Amino acid sequence: QKEVEQDPGPLSVPEGAIVSLNCTYSNSAFQYFMWYRQYSRKGPELLMYTYSSGNKEDGRFTAQVDKSSKYISLFIRDSQPSDSATYLCAMSINSNSGYALNFGKGTSLLVTP
Amino acid sequence: DSGVTQTPKHLITATGQRVTLRCSPRSGDLSVYWYQQSLDQGLQFLIQYYNGEERAKGNILERFSAQQFPDLHSELNLSSLELGDSALYFCASSDPSSTSGGNIQYFGAGTRLSVL
Repeated sequence: QKEVEQDPGPLSVPEGAIVSLNCTYSNSAFQYFMWYRQYSRKGPELLMYTYSSGNKEDGRFTAQVDKSSKYISLFIRDSQPSDSATYLCAMSINSNSGYALNFGKGTSLLVTP
Repeated sequence: DSGVTQTPKHLITATGQRVTLRCSPRSGDLSVYWYQQSLDQGLQFLIQYYNGEERAKGNILERFSAQQFPDLHSELNLSSLELGDSALYFCASSDPSSTSGGNIQYFGAGTRLSVL
């Protein structure tokens, strides 16, 4: 069983919809939770990160972490065609010098005009 | 632009050959990470260097090696290449002096390796 599970989709929504992306994990030592966006054949771009539990909002994006359920979510409000990409969740333990990220396989999102 | 630079963008080579991938981290970042992305496996951690020293190893094959130089750039060497090594290889870097410690990684644009 992989440490991080993510539904690969694809997920297709109309423009303006609210998108919900989710990951589950098994390692309770994870403390940092990230969401990356990856356009086709490009490098992962950091969208948001959360330390430990709670919510974080940045513009149209909201990240939630529920450590009791080992479940994280990313919500995209008022989705735009430019949001069409693969969304990767990633997580790691806390280490000052940094630590390997464990990634989900990514969810492919298509926002149609 | 993440500030992490990877060269070359694309490499085409034959089985049995050896290639070197290069990464320049963001200015001041001491940690460099290498990841492999294939269609079936997703992003897999290979190896981490911190200020010139190997810090952690993941699923890195013995045919693969890496190093980090005094100017903090890093190279990933892949030898005796096989068809299955065809993938995207990403470098990432992080800054231990930031408020989040070294936990937040920024990725380069990647090197696409095609082994024919």
